[in-house]
Amino acid sequence: GQSLEQPSEVTAVEGAIVQINCTYQTSGFYGLSWYQQHDGGAPTFLSYNALDGLEETGRFSSFLSRSDSYGYLLLQELQMKDSASYFCAVRWGNTDKLIFGTGTRLQVFP
Amino acid sequence: DTGVSQDPRHKITKRGQNVTFRCDPISEHNRLYWYRQTLGQGPEFLTYFQNEAQLEKSRLLSDRFSAERPKGSFSTLEIQRTEQGDSAMYLCASSPRTGPYTEAFFGQGTRLTVV
Repeated sequence: GQSLEQPSEVTAVEGAIVQINCTYQTSGFYGLSWYQQHDGGAPTFLSYNALDGLEETGRFSSFLSRSDSYGYLLLQELQMKDSASYFCAVRWGNTDKLIFGTGTRLQVFP
Repeated sequence: DTGVSQDPRHKITKRGQNVTFRCDPISEHNRLYWYRQTLGQGPEFLTYFQNEAQLEKSRLLSDRFSAERPKGSFSTLEIQRTEQGDSAMYLCASSPRTGPYTEAFFGQGTRLTVV
């Protein structure tokens, strides 16, 4: 089977840096995606790693180590609007379906 | 292009009734997915279409659930004889099949409440 583990909640203050970790166990692995979801909203794509290393997109970066079955999302210069749930998801199979973790709720305080 | 559109946004139904949801993907996206999300959990894969062909169904999709994508455009998800356990957010996502990988774009979802 497949499973992904993330911390359930993280808190930080505006301007800080926060790292959300994700460990996965899957029978097949094509890549790791990160999605952001505000309450009542749609999941929106943030980043994707197929190969080991760091991908940077503005204030967000994502890292993958396939040998450790581990990845993280790094959020810099936190803003209040970053308060949301963040999901890691394994891209799996020829259909590119996503297997999601249970999500990390990030609360940013002023 | 306004993104993935789902209708209705909210549905309250009595146990035992049938419900149908509609998803309009981004035009020219030939891949379409349905997911289900319950409170505090991540989305769970239900089924996948490539054009009009339903190529994969999760074991979560009992025989009370059926999905179609006629002509490879919009898709419908029908739940027959709804149960309280069906209460969830039903999300639709689409992606184009270009390149080695492209992100999935999600709709706002249909929130189903079975009373």
